[in-house]
Amino acid sequence: AQSVSQHNHHVILSEAASLELGCNYSYGGTVNLFWYVQYPGQHLQLLLKYFSGDPLVKGIKGFEAEFIKSKFSFNLRKPSVQWSDTAEYFCAVTAFYNQGGKLIFGQGTELSVKP
Amino acid sequence: GAGVSQSPSNKVTEKGKDVELRCDPISGHTALYWYRQSLGQGLEFLIYFQGNSAPDKSGLPSDRFSAERTGGSVSTLTIQRTQQEDSAVYLCASSLVPGGQGEGYEQYFGPGTRLTVT
Repeated sequence: AQSVSQHNHHVILSEAASLELGCNYSYGGTVNLFWYVQYPGQHLQLLLKYFSGDPLVKGIKGFEAEFIKSKFSFNLRKPSVQWSDTAEYFCAVTAFYNQGGKLIFGQGTELSVKP
Repeated sequence: GAGVSQSPSNKVTEKGKDVELRCDPISGHTALYWYRQSLGQGLEFLIYFQGNSAPDKSGLPSDRFSAERTGGSVSTLTIQRTQQEDSAVYLCASSLVPGGQGEGYEQYFGPGTRLTVT
């Protein structure tokens, strides 16, 4: 069965620090990869997505992620975080064999940015 | 345009009662998904509807859970004889096209229904 692992449960950073959140998945075939963000009191929003092509994808609010197929990873990065980035971040994957497209989520990483 | 909407936003019910949760997907989206978000289990897939095809029910935790989608649009998730472990936030999502590759596949989520079973 597919699984997604996010290595950090809670990350605390100061403003302007750089961010990298790890995400690894277990499925060996072709995948779609996503990062979703949930700001306090708000619903899940799509941050960025990878389907094919350039493995470095850029999303909203200055976030980017790199797909490294050999490492089964899709890490999220931001060069300089802001207090407003405080949120919970979820990595998710779907596999092509699963034509239903259900998302398999990681456990989530809570990011706290101190002003 | 309008996003995915869900109702009610909060529901408190007594153990053993039935509840119905409603989802209105984004207009024109052919695929609809239900997920559950709870502290202990994270985000879990429940059920998926794709056009007129039979739904994928593989994530439903028990036969007390069922869902239907009428007219290819609105969906209702029903939980019968609710238990305390059913307490969670129930999320609905929709996508323009069903599972596959390429643009239009990404899922957009509603605000959720917070269910509390007392």
